[in-house]
Amino acid sequence: EDKVVQSPLSLVVHEGDTVTLNCSYEVTNFRSLLWYKQEKKAPTFLFMLTSSGIEKKSGRLSSILDKKELFSILNITATQTGDSAIYLCAVLNTGNQFYFGTGTSLTVIP
Amino acid sequence: EPEVTQTPSHQVTQMGQEVILRCVPISNHLYFYWYRQILGQKVEFLVSFYNNEISEKSEIFDDQFSVERPDGSNFTLKIRSTKLEDSAMYFCASRRAGSYNEQFFGPGTRLTVL
Repeated sequence: EDKVVQSPLSLVVHEGDTVTLNCSYEVTNFRSLLWYKQEKKAPTFLFMLTSSGIEKKSGRLSSILDKKELFSILNITATQTGDSAIYLCAVLNTGNQFYFGTGTSLTVIP
Repeated sequence: EPEVTQTPSHQVTQMGQEVILRCVPISNHLYFYWYRQILGQKVEFLVSFYNNEISEKSEIFDDQFSVERPDGSNFTLKIRSTKLEDSAMYFCASRRAGSYNEQFFGPGTRLTVL
């Protein structure tokens, strides 16, 4: 059965901390892995990763994929209260189907 | 900036009734998706649609569900005979052809079945 597992399920940190969110997957015919941020409603796209070992970076967020070990991490440095959200990992297969993890709920307290 | 829109934002219905959830994808996008998210649970893929037909569907997408693109702009999800467990947030998404990097999600429709 195809699945995407995220850890931890929830995380509470103080502003300024660095966090690492994990996503492991078992999906046949893997095409790419995507990270989304979900605040109140719809998920918004953060990164897409297709190749191993190439870090994607956007401001304080970065992500990397390991296709051999079947996982990805999302790092957030110098966290701010605005980073509080659910972070979703999704895997797209070659059949155009997305599999989402349960998400990691991040709370950043001042 | 173009965006996916969904209507209504909240739909309340009685069990057994039919509902139609509407989505207007971004105009030059060719792939369309429906997802649902039951409160407190993960986002679940329902169906993908391309070239006026379903390209993939999950086991959740059974005979009570159907999708349609009735005109050049709308993409609808119909639930024929709603059940209590259909209560969820339903998200529509779309993406361009040839690009697997970004789906644009709509704001969602919250469906409450009483």
